[in-house]
Amino acid sequence: ELKVEQNPLFLSMQEGKNYTIYCNYSTTSDRLYWYRQDPGKSLESLFVLLSNGAVKQEGRLMASLDTKARLSTLHITAAVHDLSATYFCAVDTYSGGGADGLTFGKGTHLIIQP
Amino acid sequence: NAGVTQTPKFQVLKTGQSMTLQCAQDMNHNSMYWYRQDPGMGLRLIYYSASEGTTDKGEVPNGYNVSRLNKREFSLRLESAAPSQTSVYFCASSHRVFVFFGQGTRLTVV
Repeated sequence: ELKVEQNPLFLSMQEGKNYTIYCNYSTTSDRLYWYRQDPGKSLESLFVLLSNGAVKQEGRLMASLDTKARLSTLHITAAVHDLSATYFCAVDTYSGGGADGLTFGKGTHLIIQP
Repeated sequence: NAGVTQTPKFQVLKTGQSMTLQCAQDMNHNSMYWYRQDPGMGLRLIYYSASEGTTDKGEVPNGYNVSRLNKREFSLRLESAAPSQTSVYFCASSHRVFVFFGQGTRLTVV
């Protein structure tokens, strides 16, 4: 059974600081997703990481994937209040016969204070 | 550009009532999914359909049934709602690596 663990689950930080959210998963997978969710809203896709060593950046967010360590990170640079949200990582259980759905971590609730 | 559309957006049911959550996508995707989201739990897969005419159980299928009516539509049915099914339900569809989520249905069972 695939397990996806995020840490921390809750993070309060100040504007301007840097921080990293970690996502560990228990079985081999070549697809890792990062989503953002605002309260009462749906999931917004941030990154899709498809191979070992993949690194993607968008604004103040950068995600990376190490498939050998089964670890992905989401790094926040010089945080701003607008990045306050809950961030989820998810791993694809694609088996080659079709898309079997995503397994999600529990989410990291991020609060960025002025 | 509608994407994935869920109806209704909100629903309150009494214990034992039945209802169907509707989901439709206009992107011609083969794969569709139903997830539930509970506080502190992330999203958990209920059922999925890899293609029209096929459905499979996910992590938490008990108490639910699904129908893949055609390529566009994938419905989730609660035959006898229970308070434990109070949750936010998300439908999604996917093509290759891209996954698209609907806006969610907030369901309360009293």
